[in-house]
Amino acid sequence: DIVMTQTPLSLPVTLGQPASISCRSSQSLVHSDGNTYFSWLHQRPGQPPRLLIYKISNRLSGVPDRFSGSGAGTDFTLKISRVEAEDVGVYYCMQATQNPATFGRGTKVEIK
Amino acid sequence: QVQLVESGGGVVQPGRSLRLSCAASGFAFGDYVMHWVRQAPGKGLDWVAIISYDGSNKYYADSVKGRFTISRDNSKNTLYLQMNSLRTEDTAVYYCARDYIADYWGQGTLVTVSS
Repeated sequence: DIVMTQTPLSLPVTLGQPASISCRSSQSLVHSDGNTYFSWLHQRPGQPPRLLIYKISNRLSGVPDRFSGSGAGTDFTLKISRVEAEDVGVYYCMQATQNPATFGRGTKVEIK
Repeated sequence: QVQLVESGGGVVQPGRSLRLSCAASGFAFGDYVMHWVRQAPGKGLDWVAIISYDGSNKYYADSVKGRFTISRDNSKNTLYLQMNSLRTEDTAVYYCARDYIADYWGQGTLVTVSS
């Protein structure tokens, strides 16, 4: 199984400041069809997860442009350009290139 | 708009069975692969199973293989998860999610396995 390693696991942030989360996979996430099925999800307390970014860098419709994804192969990054109060919660990376799909352990983002 | 609504959760004793449903609307259900993902209380996301567009291909996490069965009825726009031989460690909120990229999720249904 592909192991997804997220860092950090806890991220205190200041409102209006940038934030960054990393995710590394134990093997390349490039699928035989040429796509990289890597996503970032956000979960607020008591809510289901919500997809933010798919295929490394594509924002789902309605996701604010302060969220951006980058990376390739095995190393990926989620950046928030200016953190807002609604951005608190847990962020997960996910790969669906190879079954079983796997998630990172999650990064808890909270306001300092 | 895309909607996924899970149902069928509840409290069940170890060793018993439960069937979850996920009713889909707002999109062409038969065009998408579907996942089941679970989340134990206070824990992270744990992928359970995936099924192809037409139900011909299925894949399971090792932890549920042989006990859980994923299926779908495209005429009813509904995804299912038959859970047999339930264990206390299966206690979780169970979510269905659409497409490989899991772009839409339901609100989840809570399954509690306890004697």
